[in-house]
Amino acid sequence: GAVVSQHPSWVICKSGTSVKIECRSLDFQATTMFWYRQFPKQSLMLMATSNEGSKATYEQGVEKDKFLINHASLTLSTLTVTSAHPEDSSFYICSAPDWGIETQYFGPGTRLLVL
Amino acid sequence: TQLLEQSPQFLSIQEGENLTVYCNSSSVFSSLQWYRQEPGEGPVLLVTVVTGGEVKKLKRLTFQFGDARKDSSLHITAAQPGDTGLYLCAGAPIAQKLVFGQGTRLTINP
Repeated sequence: GAVVSQHPSWVICKSGTSVKIECRSLDFQATTMFWYRQFPKQSLMLMATSNEGSKATYEQGVEKDKFLINHASLTLSTLTVTSAHPEDSSFYICSAPDWGIETQYFGPGTRLLVL
Repeated sequence: TQLLEQSPQFLSIQEGENLTVYCNSSSVFSSLQWYRQEPGEGPVLLVTVVTGGEVKKLKRLTFQFGDARKDSSLHITAAQPGDTGLYLCAGAPIAQKLVFGQGTRLTINP
């Protein structure tokens, strides 16, 4: 199957700082990528759809100015958590679809801890 | 309202037992996927079912897609401790946007 990578896998930061998370499709091009957030022992919650060359589409309740998404190329999407606060601490996961087989490939996730 | 209802949400059984996890919806899906997630890692795709009534097998795991494409099940035969994990069903009733069930946290006790 296709491979999606995320970097970093772990990040600890101070409250008020911004954190950038990268999501890369390694062996295929992805015009669309998805960003999810997962709280402990819960399922994935879709935050936004990242579109190459255009603005991201955010789900209801997700602050676009808080979670900045940039999809600058066909293999890279970034999520920047701006002015992070402890309540932003979570597990962030990206995915990229293979529309041909109606499948999503997920990155390994990024655990963010805001102190 | 949860679009995909997954049950049970928690299941703890002994090694060697069989189990079934269900994923139900009132909506029709073009396909459903099953994922397994280990703690601290991203979900890993197990299978995609596309055709109504389809049955797919992956070693001791059997996946079924309902005839009406509104539900799916995952059956594990002779469960082993290595099967422990979070199992997620997911589907895309709206083009290109995947929705997830609540997940089933499975624990297989030796």
